[in-house]
Amino acid sequence: KAGVTQTPRYLIKTRGQQVTLSCSPISGHRSVSWYQQTPGQGLQFLFEYFSETQRNKGNFPGRFSGRQFSNSRSEMNVSTLELGDSALYLCASSTGLADVETQYFGPGTRLLVL
Amino acid sequence: GQNIDQPTEMTATEGAIVQINCTYQTSGFNGLFWYQQHAGEAPTFLSYNVLDGLEEKGRFSSFLSRSKGYSYLLLKELQMKDSASYLCAAMDSNYQLIWGAGTKLIIKP
Repeated sequence: KAGVTQTPRYLIKTRGQQVTLSCSPISGHRSVSWYQQTPGQGLQFLFEYFSETQRNKGNFPGRFSGRQFSNSRSEMNVSTLELGDSALYLCASSTGLADVETQYFGPGTRLLVL
Repeated sequence: GQNIDQPTEMTATEGAIVQINCTYQTSGFNGLFWYQQHAGEAPTFLSYNVLDGLEEKGRFSSFLSRSKGYSYLLLKELQMKDSASYLCAAMDSNYQLIWGAGTKLIIKP
């Protein structure tokens, strides 16, 4: 079974630009969660999508948005990039059918904002 | 507030045993996860504890004490490939994961 894939793996942008990241979950998984990982901080939860609907949301500004398509692939968009948005963005998939489930992570997209 | 604490970095010797501690404070509790993350790679699931006690899985064991808000990951017979970051995450009453910053484990020959 193919794992979670994320594209692109690396991205360099400048302040003020916007960026779109993509995540393809494991086949059959309908839940996709997005996290931001920075050195010295734990994974910060951005949002979770299940069956094309945002089911949970973390404490990030509205510049961070996402969506999910009917094939469960998800995209995350960050508008008006700031230097502090430089981070590793991870997505994780699960079936979404149980309250407690193992999440399977992709390798991440490393975003550098200059 | 909700909080997870784990050491930032630990060093151990190949073939030895190391214990990585994690303390948590969450609104409600629905279990604790440990993940391993090699540099530049995806975090991978190691263990899940929801009841008190020790769960053993090969060279890795995980312990939980709910009354103390404490867990540890025990790695035996350390190998160089165990050099990685180990992430502790507690699940709160809303089934949201609260993550620690991770413990970077360095294995020396």
